[in-house]
Amino acid sequence: GQNIDQPTEMTATEGAIVQINCTYQTSGFNGLFWYQQHAGEAPTFLSYNVLDGLEEKGRFSSFLSRSKGYSYLLLKELQMKDSASYLCAVRDITGGYNKLIFGAGTRLAVHP
Amino acid sequence: GAVVSQHPSRVICKSGTSVKIECRSLDFQATTMFWYRQFPKQSLMLMATSNEGSKATYEQGVEKDKFLINHASLTLSTLTVTSAHPEDSSFYICSVWGENSYEQYFGPGTRLTVT
Repeated sequence: GQNIDQPTEMTATEGAIVQINCTYQTSGFNGLFWYQQHAGEAPTFLSYNVLDGLEEKGRFSSFLSRSKGYSYLLLKELQMKDSASYLCAVRDITGGYNKLIFGAGTRLAVHP
Repeated sequence: GAVVSQHPSRVICKSGTSVKIECRSLDFQATTMFWYRQFPKQSLMLMATSNEGSKATYEQGVEKDKFLINHASLTLSTLTVTSAHPEDSSFYICSVWGENSYEQYFGPGTRLTVT
């Protein structure tokens, strides 16, 4: 089966840096995604890792260690609009086709 | 522009009635589409994988007779919630993989309220 864990809630200050961790266990791992979701809206794509290492994209970076089953999303220079839920999702190829399995999400509140 | 559309965006129905939600892939053909459900303050739960021209694959715990999925063309999948009850009230979102399976595109979601 699959198991994806991430913290439920985090708070941070505007301008600061925050790291959201995600650990996973899955039999058919084929990549890890991070999505941002504002309340009542669909998720929007932030990053994708399939190989170990750090992927940087502007203020957002994502890291993956396949051997440890661990990823993190790093948000720099936090802005108020970054207050949202951040979803860690594993692409699983069990059964012969790719499907995304989501963690419970981390609600980030950015304060002035 | 939008890659995936859903219709309707919001629907309110009475308990016991059925509701159909459409999901369209606008930019490319999709042999596989996904249906998720999201309760308030919870994450997306994969309900089923819709397969064009064949039966859908349901996740464990999802009743196939209650959530009917039809994927009759390469751009359209429908989810019908049959005999809806208040506990079916949720945010239903569909998605498709991009052409290289690098990114999954989500529809805008359908907010279902059963009274």
